[in-house]
This record gives sequence, structure tokens and C-alpha cells, in this order.
Amino acid sequence: GAGVSQSPSNKVTEKGKDVELRCDPISGHTALYWYRQSLGQGLEFLIYFQGNSAPDKSGLPSDRFSAERTGGSVSTLTIQRTQQEDSAVYLCASSQGWDKETQYFGPGTRLLVL
Amino acid sequence: DQQVKQNSPSLSVQEGRISILNCDYTNSMFDYFLWYKKYPAEGPTFLISISSIKDKNEDGRFTVFLNKSAKHLSLHIVPSQPGDSAVYFCAAIEVLGNQGGKLIFGQGTELSVKP
Repeated sequence: GAGVSQSPSNKVTEKGKDVELRCDPISGHTALYWYRQSLGQGLEFLIYFQGNSAPDKSGLPSDRFSAERTGGSVSTLTIQRTQQEDSAVYLCASSQGWDKETQYFGPGTRLLVL
Repeated sequence: DQQVKQNSPSLSVQEGRISILNCDYTNSMFDYFLWYKKYPAEGPTFLISISSIKDKNEDGRFTVFLNKSAKHLSLHIVPSQPGDSAVYFCAAIEVLGNQGGKLIFGQGTELSVKP
């Protein structure tokens, strides 16, 4: 079956511009996570969605970051007024819902802010 | 403060030999651990997991060992193959509200298996 997909695969933007990153989770997976991998920072959690419940935003680094999940499926991560330190690989993962269910990752979006 | 640590950024082994990747954690509340493998330009792929009620879990060539008293786990790959060359991440689950579990990752170890 289809895995987690993300688009775009690469994004180059200028400092100060807004960007939107998209994630299509595995069909039927109720849990969706965003992570990012920055140079020298490793993989870090950003936000978690479970079904139609309010998301856990505890990992978002600033109020320039926001995410939504429409219809319990597709998710969009938005970064406003991008900064150079936002350059990273943004990874989306989905799972069947419980905390110890395996998370399946998409290929990531490589964001470069010039 | 890094709660999951992989102190070896790289490891090189000969094909057919054993690869041992190590991971340490600081939070004694962690009770579930995973290993992921990552190739360049791809997302991490789940390899194997272990619950704190066990000290060993085996899946084919991959075995994970957990030493709770030492807060240490290791991944053994036997025999190592060139296709195993990748970055390996150790991760612990931190339970979130609303049934979620965020992964707390180590920094990764790049394994190179030489033919």
C-alpha cells in the first residue's frame, strides 16, 4: 500500500517569505506527527495530531510555526516569515494511534532559506 | 539536554562481521525504545523495538538488548551486509496526552559495512 507522502520534496525560499509543507499520511492512520532534522540538532518533535482532537503543539519552536490537519487526514505545516535557521528537513510520520504504535515516516521536505 | 545519546557518530565494519551500535538514555521513565535506519534523502525506516519488560528482542539479523539499570541499549547486526550501510537512530517514546507518543531521537550513528 501507499506510504506517507510529502510535498514538495525540496523547497528553496528567501528569508521572510512564508512556506507551506504538505503531508499525506497512510490511509486509516489516526495519528500524525511532524519532526524536523536540522544540521547539528538531530531529529526533533514539532507537533502531534490525533484524530479530530486538539493538536499537541509543545514542540513548535516559535509562533511563526503552525500546522493544521483537515478532515483527519492531510496535514499542512506553515512557517511564516522564514529565517535561515528554519533550514532543515521536515519529516512527517503517521501511526495507527496509540503511543507505542510504529510511526512510519515520509521522505521529508528539504527546506533551504536563503 | 540530550535525553537519548549515541556517542559514536560513525562505525565501520567488515562484511560478515557483527555491527554493534550503542545508545544511552537518561530518563528512567522511558519504557519503550526503537531503532530506525535512514538512507540519504529518505525518511527513517523502523527496524526493531523493545519494551522495558524485556531485555532482548530479536528479528532476523537484528537483535536489540536493553540494560535498564545502566540505561543502555544496543543494536546488534549479524552478519553485517553492505546494504546495511546507513545512519541508525535510537529513539525512546515519551508519552503525550491524547494517546500520542513522541519519539526522542539520539544523534545517530553512521554505519559503513565494507565488502
